[in-house]
Amino acid sequence: GAVVSQHPSWVICKSGTSVKIECRSLDFQATTMFWYRQFPKQSLMLMATSNEGSKATYEQGVEKDKFLINHASLTLSTLTVTSAHPEDSSFYICSAPTLSADTQYFGPGTRLTVL
Amino acid sequence: DAKTTQPTSMDCAEGRAANLPCNHSTISGNEYVYWYRQIHSQGPQYIIHGLKNNETNEMASLIITEDRKSSTLILPHATLRDTAVYYCIVSPIYNQGGKLIFGQGTELSVKP
Repeated sequence: GAVVSQHPSWVICKSGTSVKIECRSLDFQATTMFWYRQFPKQSLMLMATSNEGSKATYEQGVEKDKFLINHASLTLSTLTVTSAHPEDSSFYICSAPTLSADTQYFGPGTRLTVL
Repeated sequence: DAKTTQPTSMDCAEGRAANLPCNHSTISGNEYVYWYRQIHSQGPQYIIHGLKNNETNEMASLIITEDRKSSTLILPHATLRDTAVYYCIVSPIYNQGGKLIFGQGTELSVKP
């Protein structure tokens, strides 16, 4: 079946630095990908829709200048957390709809810890 | 905001059927019912989806009421590996602009 990968699976960084997370669709093309954030014991919160070749669409309350999204190709979207702070520590998950467009496949997630 | 209501938690004995209910009384005509599950510290996994007919696949069965205001996910023979949070989501399919908005889900514990 369709597979979505994320890299890295976990990252620890210092406060004030930037961190890039990659999301790849391994065996299918995705013109759109979605980025979610999940805090401990909470549900997934949709952050933004990543569109290949155009600007990302951010959900209300998500700072677009802090969470930079680039959808450089049909198989790769990146999320960069700029000037990370401890409150940005979370589990970041991406997803991509299948070509048939009736389901979405999720990546394994990236755990970000900001010290 | 999530448009579904699910019980917070449920227990099920290993080998028995797990029946997870979901209320979606405000579902629109073009919205499907999707079920995903998330095992601890992993990304969600697609289980099944349906519009108005009952659906079955190798993982589960989905029973949707005739008025489409509620549904039940059935895991016919639950195993310990089915312990997870199960999310019921209503959404148009992707090419209708659908994106998945997660509610709190049901935490299913399968016990030996």
